[in-house]
Amino acid sequence: DIQMTQSPSSLSASVGDRVTITCRASQSITSYLNWYQQKPGKAPKLMIYGASSLYSGVPSRFSGSGSGTDFTLTISSLQREDFATYYCQQTYSIPRTFGQGTTVEFK
Amino acid sequence: QVKLVESGGGVVQPGRSLRLSCEASGFTFSVYAMHWVRQAPGKGLEWVAVTSFDESKKDYAEPVKGRFTISRDNSKNTLYLQMNSLRVEDTAVYYCAKEGTMMVELPFDAWGQGTLVTVSS
Repeated sequence: DIQMTQSPSSLSASVGDRVTITCRASQSITSYLNWYQQKPGKAPKLMIYGASSLYSGVPSRFSGSGSGTDFTLTISSLQREDFATYYCQQTYSIPRTFGQGTTVEFK
Repeated sequence: QVKLVESGGGVVQPGRSLRLSCEASGFTFSVYAMHWVRQAPGKGLEWVAVTSFDESKKDYAEPVKGRFTISRDNSKNTLYLQMNSLRVEDTAVYYCAKEGTMMVELPFDAWGQGTLVTVSS
C-alpha cells in the first residue's frame, strides 16, 4: 500500500497569511494526488486534483504543486472560510489512501 | 446538481450486520465508479471499497475484506455496503463518493453527507 504523510498535522494562522501544507507519498504516484477540504460535521470537498488542477468553483487562492512523491497545497491569502482540515489522497493505486490530515486553526 | 444521500446507519452489536444505502441523483449514476470512505470519530479518512460502474470490478480495504460487500443497483441509482461481522473498530461515519471519471486522476468529486455506524455492546 502507498502511505501518504502530511505535515504539519496542524498549524495556526491568521486571515491573510500564506499557508503551505506538504504531502509525501511512500513511492512515486506521478501526479495522481488530490486535495480535499473538510469542515467539522461536513463531508470532504474536492479542492485540487491531479496535483495542480483547481476543481470547479474553488477559489484561485488555492493552488497545488508537485509530482512523484512530494506535493504541496498552498493557500495564498487565508480567508475565514478556509479554516478546516485538509487531506491529500493518492489515486495512483488501490487502496486509495489518504494522508492523516492537516488542521488549519485560527491563531 | 449531483446529490448523494446515505442511509442505514445506526447502533449495532459486535458480530451483527448492517446494510448502508447511498441514493444518487443529478448525474448518470450507471456510468460512474463509486466508493465508500469512512471516518472514525475524531480521526482521518479511510477508504473502504470501490465498485466499477457495472460491478465487474470491486476492491476492498484490507480491514474489511471478507466482511463487507459493495454492490449497486443502477436501475435504482443506489449504491450499497453490506457490512457483516461488525467490530467495534468499524464505528465511523460512512460516506459514499462518486469517482470523477472525466478526470484522468479519478478524484472523488462528490460526497454524501455521511451516515453514522456505531458498533457497541
